[in-house]
Amino acid sequence: SYVLTQPPSVSVAPGQTARITCGGDNIGSDSVQWYQQKAGQAPVVVVYYDSERPSGIPERFSGSNSGNTATLTINGVEAGDEADYYCQVWDRSSDLAVFGGGSKLTVL
Amino acid sequence: QLQLQESAPGPVKPSETLSLTCSVSGGSISSNNYYWGWIRQPPGKGLECIGIIYYSGSTFYNPSLKPRVTMSVDTSKNQFSLELSSVTAADTAVYHCARLVSGTSRGDPYFDYWGQGSLVIVSS
Repeated sequence: SYVLTQPPSVSVAPGQTARITCGGDNIGSDSVQWYQQKAGQAPVVVVYYDSERPSGIPERFSGSNSGNTATLTINGVEAGDEADYYCQVWDRSSDLAVFGGGSKLTVL
Repeated sequence: QLQLQESAPGPVKPSETLSLTCSVSGGSISSNNYYWGWIRQPPGKGLECIGIIYYSGSTFYNPSLKPRVTMSVDTSKNQFSLELSSVTAADTAVYHCARLVSGTSRGDPYFDYWGQGSLVIVSS
């Protein structure tokens, strides 16, 4: 089965750049989605198809994907970005979504 | 604006069957380009996809849960449902329903709208 590996936590000061990685075997050949989940809320997709942003998501959020690592980059981090972030790919062998373990972004 | 709302089944006893319904408003469950899914999240843990269903009734289940999972759809009520049998404490989780955008030439399927989630506690 598909395994996605994320760092449990990422910390960054306000205004700085946060990078959250998602490791997987040849993940660069798949399209990766990123979800933001604030405490007590439902997940919200912030990046889909590796680097596309849904309407309403700030340009500060961007994504990239190559080789064995996908990356969510948040420029100019704000206090309101503090949340858990999950990467997701599609497992074609089971026709199901697979999620990474999640990364807690802390804004110092 | 599409909205999804999970039912609130209350506590479930071990060995019983957990039943949840997702009501969809602001859009049709019979749309061609979407599937509908259930995702769960144990307290303090990550997301796990339980399964997906198309409005025609076609289903795909997580292999680890497949023996215990049944999903169904009621297009007349714009709802879809989840049943999970023989539950244990390990099934205690927030259960989210969500809409799955079908894969295209640009990329693979992903969930674009989610319900707030329903906490199901399995306890005797």
